[in-house]
Amino acid sequence: DADVTQTPRNRITKTGKRIMLECSQTKGHDRMYWYRQDPGLGLQLIYYSFDVKDINKGEISDGYSVSRQAQAKFSLSLESAIPNQTALYFCATSERGGADTQYFGPGTRLTVL
Amino acid sequence: AQSVTQPDIHITVSEGASLELRCNYSYGATPYLFWYVQSPGQGLQLLLKYFSGDTLVQGIKGFEAEFKRSQSSFNLRKPSVHWSDAAEYFCAVRSGGSYIPTFGRGTSLIVHP
Repeated sequence: DADVTQTPRNRITKTGKRIMLECSQTKGHDRMYWYRQDPGLGLQLIYYSFDVKDINKGEISDGYSVSRQAQAKFSLSLESAIPNQTALYFCATSERGGADTQYFGPGTRLTVL
Repeated sequence: AQSVTQPDIHITVSEGASLELRCNYSYGATPYLFWYVQSPGQGLQLLLKYFSGDTLVQGIKGFEAEFKRSQSSFNLRKPSVHWSDAAEYFCAVRSGGSYIPTFGRGTSLIVHP
């Protein structure tokens, strides 16, 4: 089984709809992250969490919110989706301390019409 | 602030040829440096990382990278490319005082038979 899973893998929604992307991990890591990937722009950090009670904004948090339900679960919500939020979304985890190598999920491809 | 530049958006090589992907970073002190690979339809996977010590780092899949402080570079190399190496490659940098890496925009590797 994959260590970092994301659901759904693909989603098509309409402008104005609320949508939630979910991330679960079995690596036992404290730190979790949400990234957005657009072609030619690399990865942009949306939110990150270093433990269950810690939530921090990344560089592009506007229009997004997150919830850290447990150590293993970190959800990303789009309260009112807009077309320019069409992108590939990745969840990642890392272990406290050390090198903070990140472990990525397979991604969720979101299309907002 | 830390930043990463991958000057090449696309690189095309023939199978069996050598490969070098460029990465330049901006950070005053010695950074933590990473190379990740993203195969089509998958999340990112760590290829190798540098924190300290030997400036030539060996990674998975036959890749290596060399940290050159004088050039602020961390170029990725492979002596003989295989068709399965076709993917997107991301360089990332993290400063000692930040737990959040900054990713480059990526280099797309195309391998011709």
